[in-house]
Amino acid sequence: DADVTQTPRNRITKTGKRIMLECSQTKGHDRMYWYRQDPGLGLQLIYYSFDVKDINKGEISDGYSVSRQAQAKFSLSLESAIPNQTALYFCATSAGGTTDTQYFGPGTRLTVL
Amino acid sequence: GQQLNQSPQSMFIQEGEDVSMNCTSSSIFNTWLWYKQDPGEGPVLLIALYKAGELTSNGRLTAQFGITRKDSFLNISASIPSDVGIYFCAGRPPTSGTYKYIFGTGTRLKVLA
Repeated sequence: DADVTQTPRNRITKTGKRIMLECSQTKGHDRMYWYRQDPGLGLQLIYYSFDVKDINKGEISDGYSVSRQAQAKFSLSLESAIPNQTALYFCATSAGGTTDTQYFGPGTRLTVL
Repeated sequence: GQQLNQSPQSMFIQEGEDVSMNCTSSSIFNTWLWYKQDPGEGPVLLIALYKAGELTSNGRLTAQFGITRKDSFLNISASIPSDVGIYFCAGRPPTSGTYKYIFGTGTRLKVLA
């Protein structure tokens, strides 16, 4: 079974709808992240969480919110989806420390019409 | 957000050939990671580098942490069709206590049988 799972894998929605993307991990990592990937661009950090009580904004947090329900679960919400939020969304986890390495989920392809 | 310069952007090679790609930055990093992303999937970690000058192999893949700490190289020897995909680098700045990785825009590799 995959260490980092994301649901749904694909989603098509309409402008103005609220959308939630979910991420679960079995790696036992404290740190979790949400990234967005657009064609021709590197991954951009939306939000990150170092533990259940610690949530921080990344580079492009406007229009997004997150919830860390447990060590293993981190969800991303689009409160009112807009077309330019059409992208691939990836969840990642890491253990922290000097050799901190990020492990990614399979991604969610979101299309906002 | 800030991005690394990754080159080449794309390359077509014949099966059996060796492949080289690199990432460069204007600032130093403490860690370099190399990922491969297949279509419709999340990035999979290939190699992690934690020290300047470090040379690490993973099967036919070899990566090096540049001695200036501003670059890294990935080589693939004797390419095969399943090497096709997008290869990303990621660098971690040395600022203490941070999580943040800067991602390259990827090298798209196509292998001709």
